[in-house]
Amino acid sequence: EAQVTQNPRYLITVTGKKLTVTCSQNMNHEYMSWYRQDPGLGLRQIYYSMNVEVTDKGDVPEGYKVSRKEKRNFPLILESPSPNQTSLYFCASSPRLAGPSQETQYFGPGTRLLVL
Amino acid sequence: DQQVKQNSPSLSVQEGRISILNCDYTNSMFDYFLWYKKYPAEGPTFLISISSIKDKNEDGRFTVFLNKSAKHLSLHIVPSQPGDSAVYFCAASVTGNQFYFGTGTSLTVIP
Repeated sequence: EAQVTQNPRYLITVTGKKLTVTCSQNMNHEYMSWYRQDPGLGLRQIYYSMNVEVTDKGDVPEGYKVSRKEKRNFPLILESPSPNQTSLYFCASSPRLAGPSQETQYFGPGTRLLVL
Repeated sequence: DQQVKQNSPSLSVQEGRISILNCDYTNSMFDYFLWYKKYPAEGPTFLISISSIKDKNEDGRFTVFLNKSAKHLSLHIVPSQPGDSAVYFCAASVTGNQFYFGTGTSLTVIP
């Protein structure tokens, strides 16, 4: 089944304790992205990657790191989480780069993070 | 500053009637617009999109209209069904790399 998977789905942590949220897609998509969803703010893009070893900042990259060493994986790293990073996180992937026939993004199920 | 805005947090519609969801944007460079639907505890799923070179795109019960001069797009659902009850997000991009989403409109279709 074609899908985007995220782990863990739920995570409670404490301020300053490094964590990684994994994202994996089995559709051979080139483009991958991370978003956070917060009440009243909608979804905001954190980072995106157009291909292996190519990553760019989205709208709200502060406090986050990403890496794209393999096409299928795009982990989100919080080196020193803070309470304002408590949020619902979504990973997404898309089969094409930018162009006139842009493809939609396929989203994972979400990771709910609580930072105490 | 929110570049894509959905000013109606919620909308209720009778089954069988038309649902109209609205979205405004500020960046005239946006060239691609999308609507996503989201159920609780799931990720958003793609519904319909439109390129800036068009002013209308239709897919079954769903039609998206784009008014570039007003920087406004709308999603029409006809006829509305109870299964359409969800949160709807509009999104916009320039070049398809960076995406900006609205805050969402929660649609309730009353049977």
